[in-house]
Amino acid sequence: DVKVTQSSRYLVKRTGEKVFLECVQDMDHENMFWYRQDPGLGLRLIYFSYDVKMKEKGDIPEGYSVSREKKERFSLILESASTNQTSMYLCASSPETGALGEQYFGPGTRLTVT
Amino acid sequence: GQNIDQPTEMTATEGAIVQINCTYQTSGFNGLFWYQQHAGEAPTFLSYNVLDGLEEKGRFSSFLSRSKGYSYLLLKELQMKDSASYLCAVTSGGYQKVTFGTGTKLQVIP
Repeated sequence: DVKVTQSSRYLVKRTGEKVFLECVQDMDHENMFWYRQDPGLGLRLIYFSYDVKMKEKGDIPEGYSVSREKKERFSLILESASTNQTSMYLCASSPETGALGEQYFGPGTRLTVT
Repeated sequence: GQNIDQPTEMTATEGAIVQINCTYQTSGFNGLFWYQQHAGEAPTFLSYNVLDGLEEKGRFSSFLSRSKGYSYLLLKELQMKDSASYLCAVTSGGYQKVTFGTGTKLQVIP
């Protein structure tokens, strides 16, 4: 079974703090993704990576950065957390081959910025 | 840009059939996915359509019309555990960029 894990299920941070969200997948997938999910807005893509050290902006990259130093790990960084970044953050991975784009999601991190 | 529309909520009766529609407008269309998401859980993959037509997988089927920018997910013999949100998602471009709709919350009632 594909397993995608995220470092925390719940996180509370203060405005202005630097926040790291970690995601690890164990199936040697090429592609990894970071989304946020908000009521009424659905899942929105923040960044994705199709290879180590490669990244592409999604639909809402402002206020975020990412790092992919190893194939299995994709980190989302909030340089200076703000209250409007309070959200559910979901990481996903997908193989390069196979059903194009079928994604496997981690359990999510619910981040609250106060 | 991309635009995906699906109904916000639907209610159906246990044992019945329900059809959840999804319309999309996108450039560089590759394929369309359906995901299921139970409350408080992560989305899980249900189906994938690239070509026009119907894909059947047990109680679930998904249909695609590329020319009309239209898809539907058909759930047969509804069970209470099918109460969940159903997310329509479109892939486009060369790097598997995925855009999700806002989801349809399905409530199955006895």
